[in-house]
Amino acid sequence: TQLLEQSPQFLSIQEGENLTVYCNSSSVFSSLQWYRQEPGEGPVLLVTVVTGGEVKKLKRLTFQFGDARKDSSLHITAAQPGDTGLYLCAGVAGSARQLTFGSGTQLTVLP
Amino acid sequence: KAGVTQTPRYLIKTRGQQVTLSCSPISGHRSVSWYQQTPGQGLQFLFEYFSETQRNKGNFPGRFSGRQFSNSRSEMNVSTLELGDSALYLCASSFDYLGYTFGSGTRLTVV
Repeated sequence: TQLLEQSPQFLSIQEGENLTVYCNSSSVFSSLQWYRQEPGEGPVLLVTVVTGGEVKKLKRLTFQFGDARKDSSLHITAAQPGDTGLYLCAGVAGSARQLTFGSGTQLTVLP
Repeated sequence: KAGVTQTPRYLIKTRGQQVTLSCSPISGHRSVSWYQQTPGQGLQFLFEYFSETQRNKGNFPGRFSGRQFSNSRSEMNVSTLELGDSALYLCASSFDYLGYTFGSGTRLTVV
């Protein structure tokens, strides 16, 4: 069974601060996806990383996939209140056609 | 382009009853997956359908079942409802498994 450990579970910061969310596993994933979920809605895909060592940037968000494809991180620069939400990492292992989700990071950015 | 549509949005059922949830995927997406989200367990994979065939199943009891129609629309059924089945049920469709589009979910409350 593949498990994804996500940390921290909760994060409350002031507008303008930087933050990093981590997603770790002992298993290798063929791809790692990051989602953001608002209350009462489904998760929305932010990015997919597939190559070990890959770094992707989406405006103020930077995503990294570990060299061994077992871990990933999400870094947000100069957080804004609009970044508030539940951030979820999810991995696809091998040819499995299912997502294994981390437990999520509830981010609150205070104005 | 229309997103993933789930109906109904909210449902209240009594223990012992059964329920059917519906999901219409994005046009062209033949893979439809179902997930259960609860505060305690997070997002857990239920099953995945592709071209009317169930290709993958999560660790849930047989009371949880699903099917997919020729137009890729999918339904999931839960029989003999238990209080612990109260959750947000999410449907997701994908074209290539490199990213999933989720619906807004069906909030099921069992009383």
